[in-house]
Amino acid sequence: QITVKESGPPLVKPTQTLTLTCTFSGFSLTTTGVAVGWIRQPPGKALEWLALIFWDDDKRYRPSLKSRLTITKDTSKNQVVLTMTNMDPVDTATYYCAHRTQYGAKGWFDPWGPGTLVTVSS
Amino acid sequence: DIVVTQSPLSLPVTPGESASISCRSSQSLVNSNGYNCLDWYLQKPGQSPQLLIYLGSNRASGVPDRLSGSASGTDFTLKISRVEAEDVGVYYCMQALQTPYTFGQGTKLEIK
Repeated sequence: QITVKESGPPLVKPTQTLTLTCTFSGFSLTTTGVAVGWIRQPPGKALEWLALIFWDDDKRYRPSLKSRLTITKDTSKNQVVLTMTNMDPVDTATYYCAHRTQYGAKGWFDPWGPGTLVTVSS
Repeated sequence: DIVVTQSPLSLPVTPGESASISCRSSQSLVNSNGYNCLDWYLQKPGQSPQLLIYLGSNRASGVPDRLSGSASGTDFTLKISRVEAEDVGVYYCMQALQTPYTFGQGTKLEIK
């Protein structure tokens, strides 16, 4: 059974750097065809994809946030870390990580973690 | 970026009736292998999103066959037959042809 779970600070101040950790079980990020993604959802708004890391360490970022995002993996700990610099109140959102199955040109997010709410406020 | 537009944004449904949600993409979502790279997710109240349909028409594990996905060019439809109380929530389509992956605005299904 695959599980993923996000962790991180519930509150960060403007201009600070946010560090989120996705801890997973039931799969390995060394297995071909596996990826982990981050998606966020501001309160009452739609979902927004942020970043993705593949088993081969290929990384993809949302272009509008690319300069602020870094995604890394620690396969020994079964963790994926997302950092976002220069946080702003508009970054207040629930942040989700999700397992992604990727077979060549086809893939999907399943399952998603429960999410972690991050509020940006001074 | 590929733009994905959902309609309607609100969908009140009588139990037992059918419901359809539309998703239109700004360009073809067919990949090099001929697959439609569009997924459907449901976010039930207070929960994280869950996969319903992948590659346009494939039901995820555990999804009842009352739900079905179809594609016609850049138009995608999620159909829910015999709506039940457990179907309440916000439905999102997401294009996965290319990054940045993009979601529709969401369709909130409620029971009348």
